Amino acid sequence: AQSVTQLGSHVSVSEGALVLLRCNYSSSVPPYLFWYVQYPNQGLQLLLKYTSAATLVKGINGFEAEFKKSETSFHLTKPSAHMSDAAEYFCAVSGGNAGNMLTFGGGTRLMVKP
Amino acid sequence: DSGVTQTPKHLITATGQRVTLRCSPRSGDLSVYWYQQSLDQGLQFLIQYYNGEERAKGNILERFSAQQFPDLHSELNLSSLELGDSALYFCASSEAGISQPQHFGDGTRLSIL
Repeated sequence: AQSVTQLGSHVSVSEGALVLLRCNYSSSVPPYLFWYVQYPNQGLQLLLKYTSAATLVKGINGFEAEFKKSETSFHLTKPSAHMSDAAEYFCAVSGGNAGNMLTFGGGTRLMVKP
Repeated sequence: DSGVTQTPKHLITATGQRVTLRCSPRSGDLSVYWYQQSLDQGLQFLIQYYNGEERAKGNILERFSAQQFPDLHSELNLSSLELGDSALYFCASSEAGISQPQHFGDGTRLSIL
């Protein structure tokens, strides 16, 4: 079975500060890993994905994530937060016995203070 | 705009009833996925169709069923509704050769009274 744990259901940062959203996964086989963003009253939008190529993955809106196998982590970062980054962020994993089915973490709500 | 259209946006009904949620995938996408999002369960994968055939099944209740039609639109049928079925139901789609959802609709919010 595969699972995803997102540490911190709420994260608050000041505008211009570093954004760090944590994601740890569990998978018995090399995983595919994803980050999605959900703005209020909207569906999910794919930010970036790791599919066993480069371990540092760059996504849209200035976000990036690094796959660290030794730590089973795939943390999402952005050097400088913008007010428009306020949203809910979901980490997800696929692969292994679940095949292509995505398993989502519980989500982290990012708040950006002016 | 993701290109995925879901109707209706909101649905209010009573326990024991049956509803149908509709999804039109992004133009050219062959796969359709259904997800349920609730406060207590989070985002749960329900089912995936690829070009009209069921491809993968997740935590979908027996009271729920889905299908994908020749024009690639999909419907999710929920019957014998219970209070716990109140949730946001998302449809997503992906291109041929892509095995995970790429484009999500804005969801249908189902409220059971």
